[in-house]
Amino acid sequence: EVQLLESGGGLVQPGGSLRLSCAASGFIFSNYGMSWVRQAPGTGLGWVSAISATGGTTFYADSVKGRFTISRDNSKNTLSLQMNSLRAEDTALYYCAKYFSITSPRPFFDYWGQGILVTVSS
Amino acid sequence: EIVLTQSPGTLSLSPGERATLSCRATQSVGSNYLAWYQQKPGQAPRLLIYDASSRATGIPDRFSGSGSGTDFTLTISRLELEDLAVYYCQQYGTSPFRFGQGTKLEIK
Repeated sequence: EVQLLESGGGLVQPGGSLRLSCAASGFIFSNYGMSWVRQAPGTGLGWVSAISATGGTTFYADSVKGRFTISRDNSKNTLSLQMNSLRAEDTALYYCAKYFSITSPRPFFDYWGQGILVTVSS
Repeated sequence: EIVLTQSPGTLSLSPGERATLSCRATQSVGSNYLAWYQQKPGQAPRLLIYDASSRATGIPDRFSGSGSGTDFTLTISRLELEDLAVYYCQQYGTSPFRFGQGTKLEIK
């Protein structure tokens, strides 16, 4: 059974940093691209960042480029998101999501974690 | 950048009726790389449709996707109470891989 378990969320002041992690199990992690998607309270889904299976290719939404860094450790089946210079508008539930396909590795997602809440407030 | 606009914002229908949800892109979505997701209250999203018209594993055939280029449609035939949810489209042809703003489906 595929499982994605996010951790590392919490309350942080504006300008602060936070590192999210996603522990993956139930599939061959190193074969699949991964992504972070967020959802601010009461609003829709916002794609944040994606990373290829090897980690060699990364993508970012314009709103987080230069502030957030996505990475992965295939030896530990872990996806990470380092978030710096956090702003109030980064407040959201952050989901870890798995790419659907190995053979056509496009960033759409068949498995999602339950999400971890990040609150940016003074 | 491709921006997706979904309509209507809210759709209120009765069980057994047919729902038609629209997703329009500001430019052509390459290779029809468009997905639809269902998000029920308090839950993570669930993949329904990918590549505009392919159903994901375990999705009932009441759900179907169509369209190409800039205009895409999710159709839910024979609505059931459990279809109460917000539905999102997402393009994954070109970064940024944005989602639409969602259509809320209410069941009368």
